[in-house]
Amino acid sequence: LAKTTQPISMDSYEGQEVNITCSHNNIATNDYITWYQQFPSQGPRFIIQGYKTKVTNEVASLFIPADRKSSTLSLPRVSLSDTAVYYCLVERYGYNFNKFYFGSGTKLNVKP
Amino acid sequence: EPEVTQTPSHQVTQMGQEVILRCVPISNHLYFYWYRQILGQKVEFLVSFYNNEISEKSEIFDDQFSVERPDGSNFTLKIRSTKLEDSAMYFCASSESRTGGSYEQYFGPGTRLTVT
Repeated sequence: LAKTTQPISMDSYEGQEVNITCSHNNIATNDYITWYQQFPSQGPRFIIQGYKTKVTNEVASLFIPADRKSSTLSLPRVSLSDTAVYYCLVERYGYNFNKFYFGSGTKLNVKP
Repeated sequence: EPEVTQTPSHQVTQMGQEVILRCVPISNHLYFYWYRQILGQKVEFLVSFYNNEISEKSEIFDDQFSVERPDGSNFTLKIRSTKLEDSAMYFCASSESRTGGSYEQYFGPGTRLTVT
């Protein structure tokens, strides 16, 4: 299963767009890319998942190039409450299993 | 909104003791997971459970760990003989069967295990 590499930390200011890139060079055909958010002392929370091109939901967008070796989570106009750790996962699904790998995460610090 | 619950929120135990961490997954979910997170470190996958058996486990999930779904609602993680290095936050998660979408995992609030 492909391992993921993300920046350890990022700083941003309120109102800015934040893009966090994750590399997953050995991603396989059946693998999906998923992002989770984690606040201190809480469990991770699902943000978004995609397979290729672009996916958008009410909180974020996910851009995946054609080769799928990387992905970029885009958070529009961040606020202080977006300060958290963001994990990029590669997930593989089967009939009765799913495998995934939690990377080290990116600690996003949003400043006023 | 349905949620995953975990008990206790904090467990203190002595080295060598057995502990059981309890989780109640979301009722219509079929896949269950345990993770751990040592303070300040990343989330680490332990085990996944489907159809009353382990479907995947990591290298961390050795013979001292076991999981069980004793009834229709609870999902437990047992550590037989705790070690100091088992001190961590343990998260339970569940997901529903895939229906063309994702296996979005819903995480519980965690149990902080402290081994002294």
